[in-house]
Amino acid sequence: DQQVKQNSPSLSVQEGRISILNCDYTNSMFDYFLWYKKYPAEGPTFLISISSIKDKNEDGRFTVFLNKSAKHLSLHIVPSQPGDSAVYFCAASYGQNFVFGPGTRLSVLP
Amino acid sequence: DAGITQSPRHKVTETGTPVTLRCHQTENHRYMYWYRQDPGHGLRLIHYSYGVKDTDKGEVSDGYSVSRSKTEDFLLTLESATSSQTSVYFCAISESSYQGYEQYFGPGTRLTVT
Repeated sequence: DQQVKQNSPSLSVQEGRISILNCDYTNSMFDYFLWYKKYPAEGPTFLISISSIKDKNEDGRFTVFLNKSAKHLSLHIVPSQPGDSAVYFCAASYGQNFVFGPGTRLSVLP
Repeated sequence: DAGITQSPRHKVTETGTPVTLRCHQTENHRYMYWYRQDPGHGLRLIHYSYGVKDTDKGEVSDGYSVSRSKTEDFLLTLESATSSQTSVYFCAISESSYQGYEQYFGPGTRLTVT
């Protein structure tokens, strides 16, 4: 039973538009949430995170929103660029326990 | 980039042979992890370490063992490789931030068991 779900295996958006990647979790113990980006043949790289005491965190073009009551978080990328094309993993943690979602492949079309 | 290297980067081995993958870090982080990545499953934790000689099992630990004799090295051993262990293996390290722990990943090892 997956504790962290990313229900969209893939997403395509036009360059310059907004990309919205979604993630749902089931375990109420999770208190820290992270997004990672992964290019082929490379390890995942940390992108942005949010603590459970916040509902929004922004870093440049990337914003993560957290809705604790719905156990849902989303990553917004504005504006999307071709270099953003990658697989995005959502992760949830409490302490040193990390659980990753299956990933969403984002394709940004020029 | 965090200083994490994995060796080998690619390996092909036969069923039943032992295999050891190495993770080396230069960041002096306390926590180290081994994950495997398979299509549709994301990253699944195999084992992790919270200090020298201190290790614990993760979600998919069957068929794997680990050792950590030095802070900088974390070894993953497949005692007798099986085809189901064909995967991409990632090592990660973590350190606390003011909010929580963040993980940093190595480049991965692609293992094929024939």
